[in-house]
Amino acid sequence: EPEVTQTPSHQVTQMGQEVILRCVPISNHLYFYWYRQILGQKVEFLVSFYNNEISEKSEIFDDQFSVERPDGSNFTLKIRSTKLEDSAMYFCASSEVQGNSPLHFGNGTRLTVT
Amino acid sequence: SQQGEEDPQALSIQEGENATMNCSYKTSINNLQWYRQNSGRGLVHLILIRSNEREKHSGRLRVTLDTSKKSSSLLITASRAADTASYFCAQDMNRDDKIIFGNGTRVHILP
Repeated sequence: EPEVTQTPSHQVTQMGQEVILRCVPISNHLYFYWYRQILGQKVEFLVSFYNNEISEKSEIFDDQFSVERPDGSNFTLKIRSTKLEDSAMYFCASSEVQGNSPLHFGNGTRLTVT
Repeated sequence: SQQGEEDPQALSIQEGENATMNCSYKTSINNLQWYRQNSGRGLVHLILIRSNEREKHSGRLRVTLDTSKKSSSLLITASRAADTASYFCAQDMNRDDKIIFGNGTRVHILP
């Protein structure tokens, strides 16, 4: 069964550094998402992306965050200048269509900011 | 906040018993989805119930939806130790391209 893959599985970075989290969504999916989960807590929506542009974003997704689909397969989340509070699991998800379509999640990237 | 709430926050039951968890939400929805998360892993979709449906089954899972009360429940029948996980409800809103997750219920099935 096709799956969403995320790399790396664990990223350690120093405060103030830029990080890029990578995702390969399922190939025929059109909608892409990033979510964040601080350890053991709720799953928070960051951003949705369709047709090469952001369709929705949350208050968390400020100017420090950006997303890109640089080619036909990858979907990336960039954090320009990481803060300690950015430490979390970051999950990428994709869905085939909008509405009445489940999300397929990757296994996440654990980001640790020191 | 648009976020839904699940209750209970945590649930421990003996293997073989039924596990029930509830989800309340605040805004109108297109559908309500339930996901499962094993520790340290991604979320796995379990079941989707549309706003015009009242009940749905999938194997040992039964989901109900009451749009008048803005609530849903997930029942796991004949629970197994392997059902130990966190379970999240998620609202697919009518007008926004985002799916909002609740806080989750941690379920522990005792062997």
